[in-house]
Amino acid sequence: GAVVSQHPSRVICKSGTSVKIECRSLDFQATTMFWYRQFPKQSLMLMATSNEGSKATYEQGVEKDKFLINHASLTLSTLTVTSAHPEDSSFYICSALTGGTEAFFGQGTRLTVV
Amino acid sequence: DAKTTQPNSMESNEEEPVHLPCNHSTISGTDYIHWYRQLPSQGPEYVIHGLTSNVNNRMASLAIAEDRKSSTLILHRATLRDAAVYYCIVQRNQFYFGTGTSLTVIP
Repeated sequence: GAVVSQHPSRVICKSGTSVKIECRSLDFQATTMFWYRQFPKQSLMLMATSNEGSKATYEQGVEKDKFLINHASLTLSTLTVTSAHPEDSSFYICSALTGGTEAFFGQGTRLTVV
Repeated sequence: DAKTTQPNSMESNEEEPVHLPCNHSTISGTDYIHWYRQLPSQGPEYVIHGLTSNVNNRMASLAIAEDRKSSTLILHRATLRDAAVYYCIVQRNQFYFGTGTSLTVIP
């Protein structure tokens, strides 16, 4: 299957700082990417849909000013967690859509805010 | 997007077939049915997807009911590496995850 790479796989940051997570589709172009958050023992929660060259669409209850998404190219989307706090600690996962019907997922980023 | 209902957990003996059910009674005509599985601390892995007809690939088979209100993921011979949380997703635009089924494979 297609490969989606996420970086970093783990990050620890201090409270109040910002963290950027990258999501790359390595062998295909993705006009649409999705960002998820997953807390321990829970399912993935969709945060936003990222479309190349346009503004992201956020799910209800997700603060767009806190979770900045940029999808500047067909192979790269970034999620920036701004002014991170301990409650933002979570497993963040991206996916990229190919062909309109298949989504491939990155390996996830474990964010810990101390 | 259509809601999916799956059992919270299932068990299977190693090398036996496993049938993982999913109900999606509010599915619309053009919605695709996807199955992913996830191991702890990893991103979901694509398993299979289909629209109306049954589908087979090297990992599994997908049996879709004639009215499309339910589907079944079939693992033909469960191995210990198949132990994971399996998610059934009905895709209209986005991919919304339900609670999934945690599959335990007993040696």
